[in-house]
Amino acid sequence: EVQLVESGGGLVQPGRSLRLSCAASGFTFDDYAMHWVRQAPGKGLEWVSGISWNSGSIGYADSVKGRFTISRDNAKNSLYLQMNSLRAEDTALYYCAKAVEMQWLSFVDVWGKGTTVTVSS
Amino acid sequence: EIVLTQSPGTLSLSPGERATLSCRASQSVSSSYLAWYQQKPGQAPRLLIYGASSRATGIPDRFSGSGSGTDFTLTISRLEPEDFAVYYCQQYGSSPTFGQGTKVEIK
Repeated sequence: EVQLVESGGGLVQPGRSLRLSCAASGFTFDDYAMHWVRQAPGKGLEWVSGISWNSGSIGYADSVKGRFTISRDNAKNSLYLQMNSLRAEDTALYYCAKAVEMQWLSFVDVWGKGTTVTVSS
Repeated sequence: EIVLTQSPGTLSLSPGERATLSCRASQSVSSSYLAWYQQKPGQAPRLLIYGASSRATGIPDRFSGSGSGTDFTLTISRLEPEDFAVYYCQQYGSSPTFGQGTKVEIK
């Protein structure tokens, strides 16, 4: 069974950092690009970042560019999101999602259950 | 950035009725790189349609997608009780963006 399990969320003060992780199983991880998508409480979906199969191509939403860094470790079947200089507006449920191909300009077909990030003093 | 505008914001219908959801892009979506997702409360989104009109694996044929360029439509031919949810369109031809969602609620 294809599975994505996010972890690392929590309560953090504005300006601080947090690192999210996503453990993948049930598919050949390094055959696919991966994404982070977030959803603020009661709001819609917002794409955050995507990374190609070999980390050779990466994209970010303007709202997080320069503050967030996506990475992956194919040997560990894991995806990461390093979030720095966090703001209140970064408060959201963060989903890890699998793309359907190697490049990140792709739709996603599998989602994790998400991990909650709350930025508040 | 391509902005996607979904309409209506809320659609109130009865089971068995036809639902027509619209997604309009601020500029042309290349190669019809447009997907639709369904999200129920407390759940992650589920892929319904990709490439504007191709159904994802396991999606019932009452769901259909159409459109090209800047105007796309998701149609649910006959609403089942489990179809009442929020629906999002997403373009992935350039830096991905989502529409704000359409809620399909029971009338």
